[in-house]
Amino acid sequence: QKEVEQNSGPLSVPEGAIASLNCTYSDRGSQSFFWYRQYSGKSPELIMFIYSNGDKEDGRFTAQLNKASQYVSLLIRDSQPSDSATYLCAVIPGGADGLTFGKGTHLIIQP
Amino acid sequence: GAVVSQHPSWVICKSGTSVKIECRSLDFQATTMFWYRQFPKQSLMLMATSNEGSKATYEQGVEKDKFLINHASLTLSTLTVTSAHPEDSSFYICSAARLAGNTDTQYFGPGTRLTVL
Repeated sequence: QKEVEQNSGPLSVPEGAIASLNCTYSDRGSQSFFWYRQYSGKSPELIMFIYSNGDKEDGRFTAQLNKASQYVSLLIRDSQPSDSATYLCAVIPGGADGLTFGKGTHLIIQP
Repeated sequence: GAVVSQHPSWVICKSGTSVKIECRSLDFQATTMFWYRQFPKQSLMLMATSNEGSKATYEQGVEKDKFLINHASLTLSTLTVTSAHPEDSSFYICSAARLAGNTDTQYFGPGTRLTVL
């Protein structure tokens, strides 16, 4: 079974610090990787996608991918209280079109 | 850009009735749309992949005769929950795929919360 694993948290980070979110996946054939943010009762909103090994930066967000270790991470710099949400890691497994989601990490930014 | 809408945003129905949910990509054409379901405190689970003009592909364990999917155009997919029962109560979310970079990125609709009494 193709799985995506995340620590459910909650992960508590002081305002202004760096929040680090981690994700591992089981299917080595996976090619596309996504981070979504979901507020309670709302649908996910896309933060970033990455498909090459290394880092990808977009504003305060940096996604990191290591296919050899089957590991994806998301760094949030200068964390703000509005960043408090559940962060979902999602993967498109090899041969598939739909996303396989992790259970999400609940992030709390403390003012 | 990349706006996806869903209608209705919430619905309450009696057990045994059918409910139709619409998903529209408003500012782009989506050859592929997806339907997900999310139970409380759970992650999203893919139900089916919907391609315009062809039959939907259902994930294992999802009854195709209960969850009817129609993808009539490049901007509209519908999910009909037939003979709904209380255990079908959930948050149903669609997504539409749009090419971004080298990958098809999915943009999600706002979701439809279904409550079956």
